[in-house]
Amino acid sequence: SQKIEQNSEALNIQEGKTATLTCNYTNYSPAYLQWYRQDPGRGPVFLLLIRENEKEKRKERLKVTFDTTLKQSLFHITASQPADSATYLCAHDSSYKLIFGSGTRLLVRP
Amino acid sequence: GAGVSQTPSNKVTEKGKYVELRCDPISGHTALYWYRQSLGQGPEFLIYFQGTGAADDSGLPNDRFFAVRPEGSVSTLKIQRTERGDSAVYLCASSLGSGNLDNEQFFGPGTRLTVL
Repeated sequence: SQKIEQNSEALNIQEGKTATLTCNYTNYSPAYLQWYRQDPGRGPVFLLLIRENEKEKRKERLKVTFDTTLKQSLFHITASQPADSATYLCAHDSSYKLIFGSGTRLLVRP
Repeated sequence: GAGVSQTPSNKVTEKGKYVELRCDPISGHTALYWYRQSLGQGPEFLIYFQGTGAADDSGLPNDRFFAVRPEGSVSTLKIQRTERGDSAVYLCASSLGSGNLDNEQFFGPGTRLTVL
């Protein structure tokens, strides 16, 4: 079955450093991967989408890569800030629905 | 309103009762999705509407779950004979267009359902 996996352990980094989150998928070749941010008690908020023919996408301090050989996407936040602390979810397409990973919690220490 | 709204924000019910959860999507969004999220997990797909019809209901766990969208806007998720295992946050999302997955999905804040 299609699986999408994210590191369940929280990532704890110092303010100003680059946070790198990993998303791996198996048994599927998605056309897109999407990344969302979720704060406690709120719904996910869309951040970035990357297509299978794009190796990299950037938006302000965010960068996403998509490696179809490794079946992996990396999500980077540069110059991280405490306000970046949240859970980050990756998702891939499957027919008309999104399949989400379990999310990785990021904590940025001041 | 500016975003997706869901009511109620919290619902506590007893095992065996019937509940209805409501979703108001962003005006003009033809695609509407329901997801369920348990603690520490990502959202899990339940059902997708394109307009008034359920285009994909493969994620509904069993026949106690049903959803409608009679006028192609507001949707209601209905759960009969609730069980303790139904406790979760139920999220609604909407998007433009025909449900192509390159359209971002806009999520509501969710309804936290607790079955005692």
